[in-house]
Amino acid sequence: KAGVTQTPRYLIKTRGQQVTLSCSPISGHRSVSWYQQTPGQGLQFLFEYFSETQRNKGNFPGRFSGRQFSNSRSEMNVSTLELGDSALYLCASSITGGPGQETQYFGPGTRLLVL
Amino acid sequence: AQSVSQHNHHVILSEAASLELGCNYSYGGTVNLFWYVQYPGQHLQLLLKYFSGDPLVKGIKGFEAEFIKSKFSFNLRKPSVQWSDTAEYFCAVNAPGNTGKLIFGQGTTLQVKP
Repeated sequence: KAGVTQTPRYLIKTRGQQVTLSCSPISGHRSVSWYQQTPGQGLQFLFEYFSETQRNKGNFPGRFSGRQFSNSRSEMNVSTLELGDSALYLCASSITGGPGQETQYFGPGTRLLVL
Repeated sequence: AQSVSQHNHHVILSEAASLELGCNYSYGGTVNLFWYVQYPGQHLQLLLKYFSGDPLVKGIKGFEAEFIKSKFSFNLRKPSVQWSDTAEYFCAVNAPGNTGKLIFGQGTTLQVKP
């Protein structure tokens, strides 16, 4: 089975621009979670989608948004980029993401550099 | 708020030395516990997980972890490390009611000298 894939792998943007990152989960997985990884803050949860609905959200400003499509693929968008948004953005998928015995599997990430 | 604490930020060991990385979490209820590893240039991979049952769990590459509920701990161990174990290790917790959300510790960088 193919793993979680993320595109693009690397991205350079300038302040004020917006960016869209894409994630394709493992086949059969319907939950997609997004995380931001930085040296200073570590891994922080952004949001989670299941069946095209956002079920959970972390403590990030409204500039960070996402969506999920009917095939479970997900995108996240960051508008009005700031220098502090430079990070590795990780996507993880699980079967349902529910409170039971679920395991998240991670993609390789998209490294975003904001200049 | 739930949190995860990893005590060692940077560990340096020689090959064949034993490893123990500490992880404590703050949450009073049932939790699912994970250790992930991030090798240089690679993506985050699952090492092992604990959901219920035997508190001593075995993972890939000879790693194991012990869940001690009374201490809110889930320490990672390996009897004899190899140079290829050089990586960053993350402890993570998922609590019921927090669908799709893992709370990660700050990570421990392990450097194994050949």
